[in-house]
Amino acid sequence: DVKVTQSSRYLVKRTGEKVFLECVQDMDHENMFWYRQDPGLGLRLIYFSYDVKMKEKGDIPEGYSVSREKKERFSLILESASTNQTSMYLCASSLVMGAPDTQYFGPGTRLTVL
Amino acid sequence: QKEVEQDPGPLSVPEGAIVSLNCTYSNSAFQYFMWYRQYSRKGPELLMYTYSSGNKEDGRFTAQVDKSSKYISLFIRDSQPSDSATYLCAMSAENKIIFGKGTRLHILP
Repeated sequence: DVKVTQSSRYLVKRTGEKVFLECVQDMDHENMFWYRQDPGLGLRLIYFSYDVKMKEKGDIPEGYSVSREKKERFSLILESASTNQTSMYLCASSLVMGAPDTQYFGPGTRLTVL
Repeated sequence: QKEVEQDPGPLSVPEGAIVSLNCTYSNSAFQYFMWYRQYSRKGPELLMYTYSSGNKEDGRFTAQVDKSSKYISLFIRDSQPSDSATYLCAMSAENKIIFGKGTRLHILP
């Protein structure tokens, strides 16, 4: 059974804190993605990675950075959390970029920044 | 015009009814057309996808793509309370997937 796991389901942080969201996949996928999902705005791509140590900005990278030191792990970093980063964060991985039947999502992390 | 448009709902229908969910799009380059189902507090899961145009059927679910109208649909027959979820359409071209905002569907017992 394919698996994308995220380190936390719910997280509460304070403004200005550094926040790490971790994602791990066990499918040996090359590609990994971070999205945020907000009511009325849908899923928006923050960053993606197509190989270890490689990263590309998505549509809304401002205020975020990422790290991919190992193939199975992709981390999203909020250097200084702000209230407008309160959201549901979804990690995904895929074998083939753009091929829908190879992309799987994690369960999501609901982050609240106070 | 946004690349993918989807009515957010909510859409409430009685159990057993046929449900029709729709999206429109503007980019003619889209090749894959997908439907994801997302239950509350879970990540999206791929329900069905089609490549290019035409219909695809899987059990109670049918996906249709009309490229001439830039319009895609998902039909759910004999709807069940367990079908209550948010349904997201998505489309891909050039290795990029664009998602609709999702439609919240409630099936009333």
